[in-house]
Amino acid sequence: AQTVTQSQPEMSVQEAETVTLSCTYDTSESDYYLFWYKQPPSRQMILVIRQEAYKQQNATENRFSVNFQKAAKSFSLKISDSQLGDAAMYFCAYRSSHQGGSEKLVFGKGTKLTVNP
Amino acid sequence: GAGVSQTPSNKVTEKGKYVELRCDPISGHTALYWYRQSLGQGPEFLIYFQGTGAADDSGLPNDRFFAVRPEGSVSTLKIQRTERGDSAVYLCASSSSTITDTQYFGPGTRLTVL
Repeated sequence: AQTVTQSQPEMSVQEAETVTLSCTYDTSESDYYLFWYKQPPSRQMILVIRQEAYKQQNATENRFSVNFQKAAKSFSLKISDSQLGDAAMYFCAYRSSHQGGSEKLVFGKGTKLTVNP
Repeated sequence: GAGVSQTPSNKVTEKGKYVELRCDPISGHTALYWYRQSLGQGPEFLIYFQGTGAADDSGLPNDRFFAVRPEGSVSTLKIQRTERGDSAVYLCASSSSTITDTQYFGPGTRLTVL
């Protein structure tokens, strides 16, 4: 079974600075998808960024980028120019891309990000 | 509405009671998922529907939990004989197809069992 580990329960960053959130995962599959979701106090999970394992190029979405290291099974999220609105829980998630396999997302326990003004 | 909606937003019930939680997916989305998020944890998968049928129900914790999606749109998660350990946020997500498409989440229902 796949597992996702987020080793940082909490992180803090100064407004306008850069922060990196860590995520490692365990799988025997060669093809899969990885995601970062943001969950503010409103509870709604919002997709931040997504990476297909077969793509070597790291995904970027504006101020958000990932460092995907497939061999190391590492998938970290970098937030540049942090804003107060970035404060939230961040969850790393894994999903198999195997046809006929489970569609479920496997989540880590999350990292609480605080942005200090 | 444009997003996934869930009702009620909050539900308080007594131990042993029956509850139903509703999910309205994004219009046209064929895949629908239920997750449970306990305090301080990430969401855990419960069940996945493709159309009207449950394609994967391996995450349902026991036979007190059941979910339906009779017309391939709205889904209801049903919990019988609720226990205090069932207290959690129940999240619903939908996607437009399998494998490649992103799951979009609703705001969840916070269930409290007294």
